Amino acid sequence: GDSVTQMEGPVTLSEEAFLTINCTYTATGYPSLFWYVQYPGEGLQLLLKATKADDKGSNKGFEATYRKETTSFHLEKGSVQVSDSAVYFCALRKRAAGNKLTFGGGTRVLVKP
Amino acid sequence: EAQVTQNPRYLITVTGKKLTVTCSQNMNHEYMSWYRQDPGLGLRQIYYSMNVEVTDKGDVPEGYKVSRKEKRNFPLILESPSPNQTSLYFCASRGGDVAAKNIQYFGAGTRLSVL
Repeated sequence: GDSVTQMEGPVTLSEEAFLTINCTYTATGYPSLFWYVQYPGEGLQLLLKATKADDKGSNKGFEATYRKETTSFHLEKGSVQVSDSAVYFCALRKRAAGNKLTFGGGTRVLVKP
Repeated sequence: EAQVTQNPRYLITVTGKKLTVTCSQNMNHEYMSWYRQDPGLGLRQIYYSMNVEVTDKGDVPEGYKVSRKEKRNFPLILESPSPNQTSLYFCASRGGDVAAKNIQYFGAGTRLSVL
């Protein structure tokens, strides 16, 4: 079945450091790929998405590029802030099975001042 | 304001005592679903509903029931809760058109402890 694998956390960074969270997926066909962010005590929010190969999703300084050849969708941010401390989830969606989202295990990021 | 509202936010109960977690959305969305979040496992889908009176099992449906009598509501029912259902639960909804399928809205979560 479909699956998403992302690096385990926690990832601890200093403010203004470069952030990368690796995400790889296994799926047949052509899934859409997403990054969701969960701030403490809140539900998940869509951060960015890409619906086809070579698409780049971007939002709030975060970027991720859909790489079909490596089945990856790594999340990057050039200069993190304390407010970026959260749990980040990589996910995929396929049209089959009711457009269900399949999530990775989540990566906790802690940014220190 | 677009919202998915879950209640209660926190619940402690005992094994075998039936409970219901409510979920309501104000966006007239067709599609609603329930997930549970466990450490290291991400979110796993329990049940989903494509529209009123249309529900189907997700990846981990055992021990849960749902109903969709109205478009806005999608309650999650645990008839006989067990300790392995201790988890953080999220309700989500999205629209049915092509553009809306990429944007799923999540509730704030319900933290359930079954003793």
